[in-house]
Amino acid sequence: GQQLNQSPQSMFIQEGEDVSMNCTSSSIFNTWLWYKQDPGEGPVLLIALYKAGELTSNGRLTAQFGITRKDSFLNISASIPSDVGIYFCAGRLSGGSNYKLTFGKGTLLTVNP
Amino acid sequence: DADVTQTPRNRITKTGKRIMLECSQTKGHDRMYWYRQDPGLGLRLIYYSFDVKDINKGEISDGYSVSRQAQAKFSLSLESAIPNQTALYFCATSDSPGTRSASHYNEQFFGPGTRLTVL
Repeated sequence: GQQLNQSPQSMFIQEGEDVSMNCTSSSIFNTWLWYKQDPGEGPVLLIALYKAGELTSNGRLTAQFGITRKDSFLNISASIPSDVGIYFCAGRLSGGSNYKLTFGKGTLLTVNP
Repeated sequence: DADVTQTPRNRITKTGKRIMLECSQTKGHDRMYWYRQDPGLGLRLIYYSFDVKDINKGEISDGYSVSRQAQAKFSLSLESAIPNQTALYFCATSDSPGTRSASHYNEQFFGPGTRLTVL
């Protein structure tokens, strides 16, 4: 089955620093999604990517859909304490199974004020 | 008010007990899902339903069953709970492709989760 490798597993940074995390897949996806999970809450969708090469921003967050369709990255600029949480990537193939998401294992981000 | 609600938020039970987790949504979405989250393993799909008469197994359905009582309600049951079912459980909803708003192509929205501990 499809597997997603998300890295790093965890990051501990100082407030104001930039952050980068990525996901790679053993197979092609047609959609890449990035979710954030705050402690005690469910994942919230941050960015959705639907075209290879697409670069999309949401405030201080920027994500890209890799040209090979097998990878995606998420950057957070000028981190702040409320960026703390777990970030998940998810990939999806379109077509008949267009509901099915494959999730990465998450990146735990800690921001030191 | 939250669009996707889950009850209970926390539950501690004993091995062998039958447990039901409930999910309800006010988003008007057709599709509903149940996921399980374990530390370091991400989210794994247990069951999903595309409408009231449709139930499908996900990756890890053994030991679980579901009921779609109405468009807005989707419950997950553990018939005889065991300790390795201790986990966070999330319900999610989405529109069917091509319906409603094109924003985010009908992506999945998650509830706040239920923390289940089986002793």
